[in-house]
Amino acid sequence: TQLLEQSPQFLSIQEGENLTVYCNSSSVFSSLQWYRQEPGEGPVLLVTVVTGGEVKKLKRLTFQFGDARKDSSLHITAAQPGDTGLYLCAGVQPYGGSQGNLIFGKGTKLSVKP
Amino acid sequence: DTGVSQDPRHKITKRGQNVTFRCDPISEHNRLYWYRQTLGQGPEFLTYFQNEAQLEKSRLLSDRFSAERPKGSFSTLEIQRTEQGDSAMYLCASRSGYNEQFFGPGTRLTVL
Repeated sequence: TQLLEQSPQFLSIQEGENLTVYCNSSSVFSSLQWYRQEPGEGPVLLVTVVTGGEVKKLKRLTFQFGDARKDSSLHITAAQPGDTGLYLCAGVQPYGGSQGNLIFGKGTKLSVKP
Repeated sequence: DTGVSQDPRHKITKRGQNVTFRCDPISEHNRLYWYRQTLGQGPEFLTYFQNEAQLEKSRLLSDRFSAERPKGSFSTLEIQRTEQGDSAMYLCASRSGYNEQFFGPGTRLTVL
């Protein structure tokens, strides 16, 4: 079973549309990070959320951490073709704090068509 | 460039051969992580170092996998007697003091 479930798995939209990607778990995380990955490249860090209920904005991207620190969402406003990529959420578990390794979801593959 | 670098970017090898990958982390980061990513999956944690000490290696996939960080700077990941199932992207990340991990571009391994 996947500790972090991301949905949807695939998303194909037209330029200018809005979208939301979800990252859900039954476990609590001490922090959660969102990455974007392009084919053949490593993940690029977009944001880290730490506090339950926290909301962070990065231009047209809005990230929210659930109050219980078990889930997160990424909302993109007015998507552009340059937003195309694989969006990954990754969490650090509290009891794994001494290691700090990330647990990843499978990702949401986003395609934005002009 | 002060990001994480990995070498080589691509490696094609025949089954049974040994391969070694190198990772150079961000210089001021003392924690270094290795992950493996297969098609359609998120990265999967393999091992990590704090300075030169390997503090977790139980997640390495088999005893054919080993990693070193001899001077607490760059790290190497070696796979002995490669199998076709080892084909994947191998990613290295270094961690900042704010518990954020920054990834390198990865090494794509293909085992024929």
